[in-house]
Amino acid sequence: SYDLTQPPSVSVSPGQTASITCSGDKLGYTYVYWYQQKAGQSPVVVIYQDDKRPSGIPERFSGSNSGNTATLTISGAQALDEADYYCQAWDTSTYVFGTGTKVTVL
Amino acid sequence: QVQLVQSGAEVKKPGSSVRVSCKVSGGTFGSYTISWVRQAPGQGLEWMGRIIPILGITTYAQNFQDRVTITADKSTTTVSVELSSLRSEDTAVYYCARDPAARGLYYFDSWGQGTLVTVSS
Repeated sequence: SYDLTQPPSVSVSPGQTASITCSGDKLGYTYVYWYQQKAGQSPVVVIYQDDKRPSGIPERFSGSNSGNTATLTISGAQALDEADYYCQAWDTSTYVFGTGTKVTVL
Repeated sequence: QVQLVQSGAEVKKPGSSVRVSCKVSGGTFGSYTISWVRQAPGQGLEWMGRIIPILGITTYAQNFQDRVTITADKSTTTVSVELSSLRSEDTAVYYCARDPAARGLYYFDSWGQGTLVTVSS
């Protein structure tokens, strides 16, 4: 099976930049998607197709994907960005989720 | 705007089965796929399987191959998942999620509100 590995936690000060990595074998050869899940809520896609933002997602969210690593960047983090973040890819007809990263803004 | 509304919480005994439904409204039923994703308490997201509603074609994750069945009812635009031989480790929130099936893209742009399934003797 295909594995996507994320750091368990990332801390960021308000207004600073948070970077969340997602590692997988030859990940750059496929599209990566990112979801934000706040406590008690359903996930919401914040980045699709590596670096595209859905309508309504703030510009401070950006994505990149190359080699074996994809990165979600939150520029100018705000308290309301505190959440769990999951990367996701498609591999051999299967949706694969990353292990998840808890982002704390403090 | 697509909306996915799921059925309510369930409490089940070990060894029994559970069925969770997902009513889809908005959009054209079948012009996308619907998946089921579960999340155990304090854990990450786990994909279980998906269906192409208009065709009834299903794909299941290897971990659930023998225990899960996903069906779609076009008349009610409802997708359901049934999980059998329940064990305590199946206690989780179960989500339905829509993949818009844009060419070459595989992701979820809409999610249901989640259904808590508790397996306990």
